Amino acid sequence: GAGVSQTPSNKVTEKGKYVELRCDPISGHTALYWYRQSLGQGPEFLIYFQGTGAADDSGLPNDRFFAVRPEGSVSTLKIQRTERGDSAVYLCASSLNGHSGAEQFFGPGTRLTVL
Amino acid sequence: QQQVKQSPQSLIVQKGGISIINCAYENTAFDYFPWYQQFPGKGPALLIAIRPDVSEKKEGRFTISFNKSAKQFSLHIMDSQPGDSATYFCAASRMDSSYKLIFGSGTRLLVRP
Repeated sequence: GAGVSQTPSNKVTEKGKYVELRCDPISGHTALYWYRQSLGQGPEFLIYFQGTGAADDSGLPNDRFFAVRPEGSVSTLKIQRTERGDSAVYLCASSLNGHSGAEQFFGPGTRLTVL
Repeated sequence: QQQVKQSPQSLIVQKGGISIINCAYENTAFDYFPWYQQFPGKGPALLIAIRPDVSEKKEGRFTISFNKSAKQFSLHIMDSQPGDSATYFCAASRMDSSYKLIFGSGTRLLVRP
């Protein structure tokens, strides 16, 4: 079956612009996670959805970052007033139910470059 | 605050050799410890995982050794192959924290033919 897909694969924007990054999780997976991976680093947690609700948004760095999952499937990560420091690969992962030992399947990521 | 510390940062091994990557954690509430493998341009993929009630888990050429008292765990890759060349991340998660993964900083493994 299809894995986690993310679009676009690459996004180049200018400082101050607004961007949206999309994640299509594996069908039937209720848990969805967003992570951010800077060059040479491990992924860092941003936000976790269980169904439609953001169950844990403690990793969002500031109020310029926002994410939604209105129908409990596709999720969009939104970044306002982008800064050069936002440049990174944004990874989405889904798991069957968000419980212990439920494997998180990662998408290929969206590489965001803020000029 | 780095909750999961990983070493070494990079590792070069000859084909057929054993690759060993180590991780240490601080939070005793962690109850799930996976290892992920990442190839350039791809997302991380689960390799093997362990819970703290088990001291060792083996899947094929990959083994996790877990030392709960020392709060350390390691990945051993036996008979390392050039196709194993990738970046490896240890991670930890816990039930009361959404099972979000806390990753180590990664180890770049190069297996020479």
